[in-house]
Amino acid sequence: EIVLTQSPGTLSLSPGERATLSCRASQRVTSNYLAWYQQKPGQAPRLLMFGVSTRATGIPDRFSGSGSGTDFTLTISRLEPEDFAVYYCQQYDSSPRLTFGGGTKVEIK
Amino acid sequence: QVQLQESGPGLVKPSETLSLTCAVSGYSISSGFFWGWIRQPPGKGLEWIASIYQSGSTYYNPSLKSRVTISVDTSKNQFSLKVSSVTAADTAVYFCARTKSDNSGWYQDYWGQGTLVTVSS
Repeated sequence: EIVLTQSPGTLSLSPGERATLSCRASQRVTSNYLAWYQQKPGQAPRLLMFGVSTRATGIPDRFSGSGSGTDFTLTISRLEPEDFAVYYCQQYDSSPRLTFGGGTKVEIK
Repeated sequence: QVQLQESGPGLVKPSETLSLTCAVSGYSISSGFFWGWIRQPPGKGLEWIASIYQSGSTYYNPSLKSRVTISVDTSKNQFSLKVSSVTAADTAVYFCARTKSDNSGWYQDYWGQGTLVTVSS
């Protein structure tokens, strides 16, 4: 089983600042099958990125994804008030099995 | 617009079976895609439970496989989840979701709003 570790657990930033979220896998992620989700309190997760760096429909270009192998990053170039939320990475392997990281909370400083 | 809506009891007794249904609108399940369940214990992260293809092929989280059954009813455009022998550890918000499978992997592009299931006597 591939374990995803997200860091930091909490990121305290101000609107307009850059956010860098890390997702590290315990083994190489197959074919970069890595996705990111945003979740706000009381809501379902929302797909942000898939295939490491492809933005989902309607996701603004201030969100970008990068990485390969075992190290992946979600970057929010300039935080907007609506971006303060919890972010999860998710990988798929050919078992098939989906696993999620523990999440990073981006909070207002 | 694809919409998913979970339904089922909000309270289940320990050792009993949890049963949930996800009604899909705006898209025909029989047209393709995978459909699945993901849960989130209060204040915690996300856990994939199971997925099913429109043909009926099923895929389970190995850690839950012995207690979980996922099924699809294309005539009603819905799919269902059963979790047997529940304990307090099964208390969670249960989400149903549509899963895309392509050369970018498996990822959930549409989600239901989630339903809280509490296991308690």
